[in-house]
Amino acid sequence: QSALTQPPSASGSPGQSVTISCTGASSDVGGYNYVSWYQQHPGKAPKLLIYEVSKRPSGIPDRFSGSKSGNTASLTVSGLQAEDEADYYCNSYAGINNVVFGGGTKLTVL
Amino acid sequence: EVQLVESGGGLVQPGGSLRLACSASGFTFSGYWMTWVRQAPGKGLEWVANIMKDGGHKQYVDSVKGRFTISRDNAKNSLYLQMNSLRVEDTAVYYCARDLDYYVLDCWGQGTLVTVSS
Repeated sequence: QSALTQPPSASGSPGQSVTISCTGASSDVGGYNYVSWYQQHPGKAPKLLIYEVSKRPSGIPDRFSGSKSGNTASLTVSGLQAEDEADYYCNSYAGINNVVFGGGTKLTVL
Repeated sequence: EVQLVESGGGLVQPGGSLRLACSASGFTFSGYWMTWVRQAPGKGLEWVANIMKDGGHKQYVDSVKGRFTISRDNAKNSLYLQMNSLRVEDTAVYYCARDLDYYVLDCWGQGTLVTVSS
């Protein structure tokens, strides 16, 4: 199973919005509504931000939102803050016994 | 508070073995699938293995099949990863994570570093 494709980097100024894409195939992203997004600060464990395409776990600010169109899922961070600077990863259910992760996107807050 | 704490990482020579452990607290351990994910230095996340709630079903990424074994002891609220025939490319931080189903990993440990080098 091929990894999901994410842009290696993204950036925005404080207060702006930025969108990170996660492109897969009809066998993963496009075929199921089980796309998750994770935030990882340097030296820290990943943290679940979004699951099932657009749902937020308790405690995650509504500045973080997810969506999907066809084989591409997207994470939007609105009202960028300095602490949003981190690496972001997507993953998708890809059928029984199968999961794929994206390569990660480094978000820089200018 | 839900908490996962990994242990057992370290430096091992190629071909060697290591056993990782993950101690869980703050939730009903036996009620969840559990997963190991690894991250090589400077690289992205890679799903390694997961195990059903009762330990009855296990899945592995192709690159570790036949070398790694995932297991759990629900009485001890613990998850394990036995790693044999280790290779240089297995060098990574290994995280245990709770799986809500469909590979939604909602809680992660702090990770333990495994270095395979001569």
